[in-house]
Parts: sequence; C-alpha cells; structure tokens
Amino acid sequence: QVQLVESGGGVVQPGRSLRLSCAASGFTFSSFAMHWVRQAPGKGPEWVALIAYDGINKYYVDSVKGRFTISRDNSKDTLYLQMNSLTSDDTAVYYCARVFSSGWFPDYWGQGTLVTVSS
Amino acid sequence: QSALTQPPSASGSPGQSVTISCTGTSSDVGGSNSVSWYQQHPGKAPKLMIYEVSKRPSGVPARFSGSKSGNTASLTVSGLQADDEADYYCTSYGGSNNLLFGGGTKLTVL
Repeated sequence: QVQLVESGGGVVQPGRSLRLSCAASGFTFSSFAMHWVRQAPGKGPEWVALIAYDGINKYYVDSVKGRFTISRDNSKDTLYLQMNSLTSDDTAVYYCARVFSSGWFPDYWGQGTLVTVSS
Repeated sequence: QSALTQPPSASGSPGQSVTISCTGTSSDVGGSNSVSWYQQHPGKAPKLMIYEVSKRPSGVPARFSGSKSGNTASLTVSGLQADDEADYYCTSYGGSNNLLFGGGTKLTVL
C-alpha cells in the first residue's frame, strides 16, 4: 500500500533553515509528481509546492518563492523541502502528498511533520 | 489567489443528508474539472473522498457524492453517520500552476 512518511520537523528560530524529508513506498515513486502541503494550527491546508515526476518542473506558492526549494531523489524514493529564512508564518504541520496520475490534486498524504518557528 | 470559500460549519442528524458548498471563480472551480474533496478527522491526514468533481475513489461509500454548477462545487453526504463528523476541504486547480484549498467546513452529526 502507498506509504508516505515525513521527517525533519521541529522547533527552529526565526531566520534559520530546516530540511524536511518524505520517504515513499508502495508505489513507483519516480512516476508521480509530488506536493508539499502545510496546515497551520486550526487552519485549513495550504498548498506549498509541487515537483514533477522527473524533478524538472517545480512550482511554488508565492509566499515561499525564493525561500523554499522542493527536490527529489528518485533513486532513494525520497522527497525533500529545504526551507530557509523561516518566519512564524511558516509554523504548520507539513504534509507530503502524491499527485493523482492525472491532474493536480493529491490522492495519498503522509501523516505530517510539525514545524514550529519560534524564538 | 484567495482560498476557495466554504461555510465554516454544517450539521445534520444521523440518517439525514447534508450538502457543503465550495465557491471559487471562473479561473479555478468554474474552469476546471479538477475539483476534489477531503475528509480530515482531528489529528489525522486528509483523506480523498471525491475527485474530478464527482468521482469516488475505491473504498469511499456511495453516500458521498460531488457535483458542480458554475463556480460552485458541492459535496453531499447522505445517510449521515457518526463517523462522518470531521472537517471537509475542497480543492481546485488554480489555473496558474497552483492548487487552491477551501477554508474548510466542520461537519457535526447531531
């Protein structure tokens, strides 16, 4: 079965960096685009970034452009999110999610990893 | 772009039907069949319930159905059960290489 396991979250000071990972299993990772989606406490989800199956095309929400970088290693079945210049607005549970075979919507989600930006 | 608009709450008694709306614009909901709905129980990851406006993934009960009219998509839950109590979110392709989410609707089973 499809499994997505995020890691790398934690408490970080404003202005610092953090890298999240998402280990995928149960499907051919290299054939699917992937999302990062975040959810601030008590709020609805917010799309953060998408990376194409081959890692070539990448798209970001405006609020993270220039600060966050999505990447993947298909040889390791792993998705990454490098987050720089973090602010309190970035505090959220970060989910990785697989993109449905046709379209943009996610079909499977991981359980999420909490990122707290606080001094 | 702004998030899609959903009512913050909805409710119904067991066995009744409830419909949750999701309003966007002609650039997203109205211009795309890539509308999906997710169920999220507290502390859990979202679960896909409806995709491409009205299709159900395998394993999702037929009590869940989706539709769209103009810039508004809808999720209907028929024969409400206690376990349907959860937050529900709609999403749509935003039209500019982005994905939009609704603000969420908390469904209460009375």
